[in-house]
Amino acid sequence: DAKTTQPTSMDCAEGRAANLPCNHSTISGNEYVYWYRQIHSQGPQYIIHGLKNNETNEMASLIITEDRKSSTLILPHATLRDTAVYYCIVRVAMGAAGNKLTFGGGTRVLVKP
Amino acid sequence: GAGVSQSPSNKVTEKGKDVELRCDPISGHTALYWYRQSLGQGLEFLIYFQGNSAPDKSGLPSDRFSAERTGGSVSTLTIQRTQQEDSAVYLCASSPQINSPLHFGNGTRLTVT
Repeated sequence: DAKTTQPTSMDCAEGRAANLPCNHSTISGNEYVYWYRQIHSQGPQYIIHGLKNNETNEMASLIITEDRKSSTLILPHATLRDTAVYYCIVRVAMGAAGNKLTFGGGTRVLVKP
Repeated sequence: GAGVSQSPSNKVTEKGKDVELRCDPISGHTALYWYRQSLGQGLEFLIYFQGNSAPDKSGLPSDRFSAERTGGSVSTLTIQRTQQEDSAVYLCASSPQINSPLHFGNGTRLTVT
């Protein structure tokens, strides 16, 4: 699976959009970009994933650059409950390996009032 | 509906003792995964089960670690002769099929004294 690079931490103002970048310059054509987050003392929570096109769901939007070497997770209106560590992962969706995800350090997001 | 349930939520054991950690996946989910997360670290894949196929044990750190999944549902992770370096949060996740996003439990925090 391709390696990802994320900022170690970032602050965000409550009510504002939070834009979380992720670099994955070695991504292969068949690798998806996944985002999970982990709130303190809880298990990771799936947010969104995509291959080429931008994706949006009730939690967030995912913007993937045309060359797929980077992506941005957007939390449109951050709340205090969005304070968490956000993990960007790239992996091949198909194959017997299943979800053998490897989570790196992630971005520690602190939403401030 | 009910999410992934893990028990116990906390376990303190003496070095050298055996421990069993339990995971109840979401009903109907065919894939089940075990991960561990050491303090301040990312997630480390341990083992996964998919339907009736042989489990993928490639992430187990030593032969002291084993896991079973009975009847395609409940799973038990067993650590024999625990060591202090086994102290971590052990997370279970399930997914409806092999390539679907994961649903995590809140983990079992294991402390080996």
